[in-house]
Amino acid sequence: GAGVSQSPSNKVTEKGKDVELRCDPISGHTALYWYRQSLGQGLEFLIYFQGNSAPDKSGLPSDRFSAERTGGSVSTLTIQRTQQEDSAVYLCASSSGQGFGYTFGSGTRLTVV
Amino acid sequence: SQQGEEDPQALSIQEGENATMNCSYKTSINNLQWYRQNSGRGLVHLILIRSNEREKHSGRLRVTLDTSKKSSSLLITASRAADTASYFCATVSGWDSRLTFGEGTQLTVNP
Repeated sequence: GAGVSQSPSNKVTEKGKDVELRCDPISGHTALYWYRQSLGQGLEFLIYFQGNSAPDKSGLPSDRFSAERTGGSVSTLTIQRTQQEDSAVYLCASSSGQGFGYTFGSGTRLTVV
Repeated sequence: SQQGEEDPQALSIQEGENATMNCSYKTSINNLQWYRQNSGRGLVHLILIRSNEREKHSGRLRVTLDTSKKSSSLLITASRAADTASYFCATVSGWDSRLTFGEGTQLTVNP
């Protein structure tokens, strides 16, 4: 597609349940990023995939968070045993690499009740 | 952790006026980018300036970069109500392309 697609756009889940967030990047973009934004805050880096290299997981806040990128394209961010503090907008972006701007998806608004 | 700090945190102006937002950062960079965010969802890339550039223009946008002061500014000229949004600066450092974002400036343009 022409842009970065994220699904679902909104997700309400009960505390303790697992959730999966999906990101479909722009075709041909080698780099894919996940960020989290809490209400009224800046963007917090979570994880970064570049080509076939091992992902940079340094931003994941706990071992309840994991992500994978299959076939160098679609990525899934999984949050296990969700907590209320996980409530945020999760943003995915892709780019052609350093020296290029990111294209962001519209995000998934996660609410843990 | 946030690399950039933006100033002011909030800015309210009248339509037709110019808006200036500033960004400071801490480490050396490869490039600095500005993004706009409407309604707390996806960000839109506005402009990228490389570390060896000092000024860049795109339409009504003017970005400057002073690497000696580790600062950048975004000027929006002849602002419109539709420019109302949050504006973020973000930096790329080192060998990878990961962006580190500032806290953002909330711009309100009153009609």
